[in-house]
Amino acid sequence: AQKVTQAQTEISVVEKEDVTLDCVYETRDTTYYLFWYKQPPSGELVFLIRRNSFDEQNEISGRYSWNFQKSTSSFNFTITASQVVDSAVYFCALSPGSGTYKYIFGTGTRLKVLA
Amino acid sequence: DTAVSQTPKYLVTQMGNDKSIKCEQNLGHDTMYWYKQDSKKFLKIMFSYNNKELIINETVPNRFSPKSPDKAHLNLHINSLELGDSAVYFCASSQDREGASPLHFGNGTRLTVT
Repeated sequence: AQKVTQAQTEISVVEKEDVTLDCVYETRDTTYYLFWYKQPPSGELVFLIRRNSFDEQNEISGRYSWNFQKSTSSFNFTITASQVVDSAVYFCALSPGSGTYKYIFGTGTRLKVLA
Repeated sequence: DTAVSQTPKYLVTQMGNDKSIKCEQNLGHDTMYWYKQDSKKFLKIMFSYNNKELIINETVPNRFSPKSPDKAHLNLHINSLELGDSAVYFCASSQDREGASPLHFGNGTRLTVT
C-alpha cells in the first residue's frame, strides 16, 4: 500500500523555538519522490521541496531543513528558530514510481508559532 | 504572471444549482488535476488529465464532470450541487504524469452550498 502518515495533527511552539514535523511513508517501489508543501492561512499551497528515493542527502534552505531516511521511511522537516510567519498547515506527499496514482498526501500538520 | 489560475475564488450557491470552476495553466505542463480539500484540510484527488486524456477518475459522484479542451485548461462542472460539496477545490498541474515533478497549485476555489 502507498501511504503517508503525518501523526502530528497540530503543534504549537513559541517563536524562536525549533520544531520538527514528522512524515512517514509506505511504498514498495524503489523509485519514488517525496514532497513538502506549505499552506499558510491565506490558503494557497506552496511547494517547498522534492526528494527522490536515490538521494538521501539532507537539505538545508535557510531556516528549513529536511532529513530523509530510507531506513525508517521518514522524511522529516525541521524549522529552526521558528517565526510567526511559519504558522501554516504543512503537507508531506509521496509519488510512487509505479501505478497511476501519484501525489499521495498526508493529512497535514498544523503548526502554530506564538509570538 | 500567474502559473495556475482558477476562477472564481469564491462561489456561493444554493443546493440544486449547477456551477463551473475554470482552471488554466501557462507552464506548458502536460498533466492537470483537480483536488478537493475538506474542512479538515484533507486533500483528495478527484481527476487527472494528461494531454486532454483522463487518467484518474477517482470515486466522485458523476455530478462532477471535468472537461479539458486543451492541455492548458481543465474545468470542473458540478451538477445538482449538494451541501456536502462545500469545500475548497484546487486545480494543479505537473510537468509529467510520472509524479517526479512537483505539483503547482492554483489558489483554490471556496465553494459554499447553502
